[in-house]
Amino acid sequence: DQQVKQNSPSLSVQEGRISILNCDYTNSMFDYFLWYKKYPAEGPTFLISISSIKDKNEDGRFTVFLNKSAKHLSLHIVPSQPGDSAVYFCAASGLGSARQLTFGSGTQLTVLP
Amino acid sequence: DAGVIQSPRHEVTEMGQEVTLRCKPISGHDYLFWYRQTMMRGLELLIYFNNNVPIDDSGMPEDRFSAKMPNASFSTLKIQPSEPRDSAVYFCASSLGLHEQYFGPGTRLTVT
Repeated sequence: DQQVKQNSPSLSVQEGRISILNCDYTNSMFDYFLWYKKYPAEGPTFLISISSIKDKNEDGRFTVFLNKSAKHLSLHIVPSQPGDSAVYFCAASGLGSARQLTFGSGTQLTVLP
Repeated sequence: DAGVIQSPRHEVTEMGQEVTLRCKPISGHDYLFWYRQTMMRGLELLIYFNNNVPIDDSGMPEDRFSAKMPNASFSTLKIQPSEPRDSAVYFCASSLGLHEQYFGPGTRLTVT
């Protein structure tokens, strides 16, 4: 039973355009959400996070949106750059298991020059 | 800070052999996590420690797997005996009282 789902295994975007990566979750106990970026042969790198008390968090070119009623979050990258090409993982943690992250399966983003 | 350090980066061993993976967390971090990544199951948590004490090992697949954290700067994940289905990338991560975990570069294990 996948509690965190990333339904798009891959996404291609032109350089300079917006990249939108999506993530859905099923566990209502999740109250903190994170995005990680992973390059080949490296470990995942923390990118941005959001608490369930917010609906938006922004850090430079990266913005995460949270829609609790829909149990949906998204990561927007504007403008997209070729160096953003990587696998992006959505992760969630919740009350009672705050230190355990549940990861989605990842989305391979390719930014075309 | 050098980040989370894992060794070895690659390990190739024969079925039945003992394998030991090592991790040095970021100095000052009080949580340490071991993950395994496979094509079939993605990233899954195996075990995590808080202040060197194992908190939850429910993700450890079998008794062949064991993990220790003898001090705040070192942890090991041991597989004995190893099997081909243990082939995966094993990640160590650490955190300081927050949700954000910082990952090491991983150990790619191949069991033939």
